[in-house]
This record gives sequence, C-alpha cells and structure tokens, in this order.
Amino acid sequence: EVQLVESGGGLIQPGGSLRLSCAVSGFTVSSNYMSWVRQAPGKGLEWVSVIYSGGSTYYADSVKGRFTISRDNSKNTLYLQMNSLRAEDTAVYFCARNGYSSGWYRGWGQGTLVTVSS
Amino acid sequence: ETVLTQSPATLSLSPGERATLSCGASQSVSSSSLAWYQQKPGLAPRLVIYDASNRATGIPDRFSGSGSGTDFTLTISRLEPEDFAVYYCQQYATSPLTFGGGTKVEIK
Repeated sequence: EVQLVESGGGLIQPGGSLRLSCAVSGFTVSSNYMSWVRQAPGKGLEWVSVIYSGGSTYYADSVKGRFTISRDNSKNTLYLQMNSLRAEDTAVYFCARNGYSSGWYRGWGQGTLVTVSS
Repeated sequence: ETVLTQSPATLSLSPGERATLSCGASQSVSSSSLAWYQQKPGLAPRLVIYDASNRATGIPDRFSGSGSGTDFTLTISRLEPEDFAVYYCQQYATSPLTFGGGTKVEIK
C-alpha cells in the first residue's frame, strides 16, 4: 500500500528552523519526482519545491535560499529543511508524489502544520 | 508566472445536477499540462484529472475534463453527495507550477 506520512511540524518562532520529514512506503522515493506543496490556513495551494529522480532541485521564489529539499534513499524519506522562517510560511505542508516524471501529483501525504509565531 | 483564475468561486447545486467549473490561464498552457484536484475539509487534495482530460485512477466517469490553451473545464455530470468539496486547477507547463484559487461546490 502506498503511504506518505509527514512529520516535524509545530510552533516555531520567526527566524527559527524546522525540518519536515515525509516517510514513504509502497514505492521508491529516489525513482520518483517528489514535491512539497503548502496551504496557508483557509487559503489555496502553493507549490514549494520539487526534487527530481536525478537529484535536481527547484524552489518557489518565496522560499529560495531558505528551504532545502532532500531525500534519504536508505530511509526512503523526503525532507524539507526550513530556515529563517517567517510568519507567512505558516501553513500545512504536504509532501506529494509526482505523476510519471511530470508536474501533477498522484498521491499526497496527510500534511503537517507549521505555525510561525512569537 | 502563469496565473490561473477559477470561476465561479462558489457553485451551489443539488445532488443530481450538473456542475461546470472553469479555469482560465493568463497564458497558454502548453501540452494541456493542467490537472484538477478535489479537496475536502481537513484532508489532502486528491487528483481528479491530469493532462486536461485524463481521469485519475479510481475517479468515476461522471468527472470529465476538457479544454486547451487558456480555457479549461471540469464537468461533473451528476453530482453525488461525496462530490461536494473544493476543486483546484493546477498548471505544470511552466515554472513556477501554479494553482487556481479554487471553486467550492456546495449543497444548495
């Protein structure tokens, strides 16, 4: 059974750091394009970052230079390291499996809430 | 950046009625690189349509997608109670990938 399970969210002060994890079962993370998508409370969806199967990474301008996407092949887990957090980063963060090396998302985790507030 | 505008913002319909959701793009979306997602409160989005007109696995055939260029449509032929949700369109033709603001399909 395919599962994506995020963890690592919580309350963090502005300027702080947090690392989100997405533990995957049922398929191999390194063989797929994997993404992070976020949703601010009561708002729509926003693409954050993607890592390709070949290892290339891309970021939304809003997080470039502050967030880093990575994966651990031995743990079949996707990560999002978030530094210099701002209030506007407050959102539910979803990890997602891209479809067939494309930009659509065939599967999603349940999400983890990150709240940036003093 | 390709801006996607969804209309209407809210659609109030009764079960059994037909729903037509629109997604307009600020520039042409090449190769029909457009997807639709359904999201219910407190849950993750669920893929409904990809490549503008391909139904995702497990999606019933009352859902259909159409369109090309800058105008796309998601049609639900006869609404079932479980279809009432928010629907988002997404383009993946150009970076950054972008989503529309959503259409809420609510029970009238």
